[in-house]
Formats: sequence, C-alpha cells, structure tokens
Amino acid sequence: DGGITQSPKYLFRKEGQNVTLSCEQNLNHDAMYWYRQDPGQGLRLIYYSQIVNDFQKGDIAEGYSVSREKKESFPLTVTSAQKNPTAFYLCASSIPRGTQYFGPGTRLTVL
Amino acid sequence: AQSVTQPDIHITVSEGASLELRCNYSYGATPYLFWYVQSPGQGLQLLLKYFSGDTLVQGIKGFEAEFKRSQSSFNLRKPSVHWSDAAEYFCAVGLSGNTPLVFGKGTRLSVIA
Repeated sequence: DGGITQSPKYLFRKEGQNVTLSCEQNLNHDAMYWYRQDPGQGLRLIYYSQIVNDFQKGDIAEGYSVSREKKESFPLTVTSAQKNPTAFYLCASSIPRGTQYFGPGTRLTVL
Repeated sequence: AQSVTQPDIHITVSEGASLELRCNYSYGATPYLFWYVQSPGQGLQLLLKYFSGDTLVQGIKGFEAEFKRSQSSFNLRKPSVHWSDAAEYFCAVGLSGNTPLVFGKGTRLSVIA
C-alpha cells in the first residue's frame, strides 16, 4: 500500500538530548513537510523540502534540523536548542499543486 | 500576509442535526482549498478539495463545501451529523506549486445524543 509512515509513534526525550523522528513515503512525491501541532495552535510549519538535497525553513525552524538525501525520506531532528519540544509532530508529502497527505504522527514528550 | 481563519474553536451539535463549519481566507489570488479531519492522536485525512470549476465540492463521509469568492469563504457542511463525525476539522489554503499549505487553527466538533 502507498502511504506515509512515521516512527516511532511515541518518543521520550531527556533534557539536552537530540532525537530524530523518521518520515518515509512511497508515493513518489517530490515535496515533503514537517509540522508541529500543539493544542489550540493548529499546524505550524517547521521545514519543507520541494526536491532532494534542498529544504527551506518554515515558521518555527529554530531548534530543529532536517535532511533530504533520498526522495522517500525526510527525517527531522529535534535538537537540545528547542526549549519546548513536547508536541505532536506530523509529516506530509505532496506533488505540485496537489493534496498533502499526512502520516500518523509522532508524539514527543520531554521528561 | 496569507491567513486562514476558522472562527469557531468548538462546536457542539446533536446527532442527526445539520452542520456548517466556517472558513475564511485572505489571499490576493484564488487559492486552492482543502478540508481535513483529524481524530485524536491521528494524522489528518482529506475530506475534500477545491481547485477550480464547480464551486460546490463533494467529499467523503457525506461532507460538502462551497467556495464563495466574493466572501473569501470555503464553508464545510453536512446535512446530518453522526456521532463518528466528532473530531477536529482543519481548513487549509494553498497557492501554487509545492508551496506549503496554510492551515487554520481548527474547529473541534462534539456530537451529543
């Protein structure tokens, strides 16, 4: 089945640790996106990539980093510089002027 | 700046009643428009989309939405709500290419018996 997978579903981080969230798609989409969701805040864009080896910052990129070495994969690293990382993280992909399809999400909690 | 407004944070309707969720956007050009639904702890699922053509768009689960250019609105409707429709609903707007969608803050729908 085609789709977007995110792993892990739940992730716990200690203060000062970097953690990496995985996002993989087999839809052959060029573009991929990372969003952060907090209660009452809707979806806020962290980073997006329109093509392999290229990506752009979104509205809240500080404390996060990404890479796009393969078309299928767009991992997100939450660094220790992100002061309030507890949130629900959603990955999405799309074709030009196309619908964005979303993965099931990863819930990150800082201990 | 581009923005999407969903004026209602939370709506409660009785099962079987009709539903309308509001969405307004501010863009210079005609955007393409989406409604998504999210159950707790899940990703977003597409309900329907408008790119061009007929301004009344049919979606999944019995939902429809109407694009009104003069009002910059894209309201979501359902004639008879089911308890399983309880979820959060997001309106989103895009302009072109692979530019990211801009999302509203969402409307939480509760359904009572």
